[in-house]
Amino acid sequence: DAKTTQPTSMDCAEGRAANLPCNHSTISGNEYVYWYRQIHSQGPQYIIHGLKNNETNEMASLIITEDRKSSTLILPHATLRDTAVYYCIVRVGHTGTASKLTFGTGTRLQVTL
Amino acid sequence: DAGVTQSPTHLIKTRGQQVTLRCSPKSGHDTVSWYQQALGQGPQFIFQYYEEEERQRGNFPDRFSGHQFPNYSSELNVNALLLGDSALYLCASSVGVAGGPHEQYFGPGTRLTVT
Repeated sequence: DAKTTQPTSMDCAEGRAANLPCNHSTISGNEYVYWYRQIHSQGPQYIIHGLKNNETNEMASLIITEDRKSSTLILPHATLRDTAVYYCIVRVGHTGTASKLTFGTGTRLQVTL
Repeated sequence: DAGVTQSPTHLIKTRGQQVTLRCSPKSGHDTVSWYQQALGQGPQFIFQYYEEEERQRGNFPDRFSGHQFPNYSSELNVNALLLGDSALYLCASSVGVAGGPHEQYFGPGTRLTVT
């Protein structure tokens, strides 16, 4: 699975959009970009994933560049409850069973008043 | 709809002992993966079970073993515990059908402390 690079930490004011970048310059054509987050003392939570196109769900939007070498997770209106470590993961979608998730150290997002 | 459940929540063991951790997957899920998360680090993949067989394994020694039962629940066993095995152990479940990526749903974890 391709490696990812994320900033160690970021701050965001409550109510503002949080834009979390991720570089995955060695991504292969059959690899998806996944985002998970981990709130303190909880298990990771799935947020969103995409292959080529931009994606949006009730939690966030995922913007993937045309060359697929980087992506940005957008939390449109961050709240204090969005304070967490955000992991960008790239992996192949295997048939039959889901492939393992390879976590890095992620980005620690601190949302402040 | 119950999510992924794990037991126990916390556990304290002594070096050299053995431990068994348990996981019940989310309703409708048939695949269970186990991860180890040391303090300040991201989770590290241990292994994955599907159809009661180990399908993938990470870089962990044979002291780490597992099992999946017909009802899809799973156990993680660790023998000859070392101080370095102290960590949060996470279970994740997913649906193992053919084609496409599959998001994994994580439980709250079991905090293991080895003294």
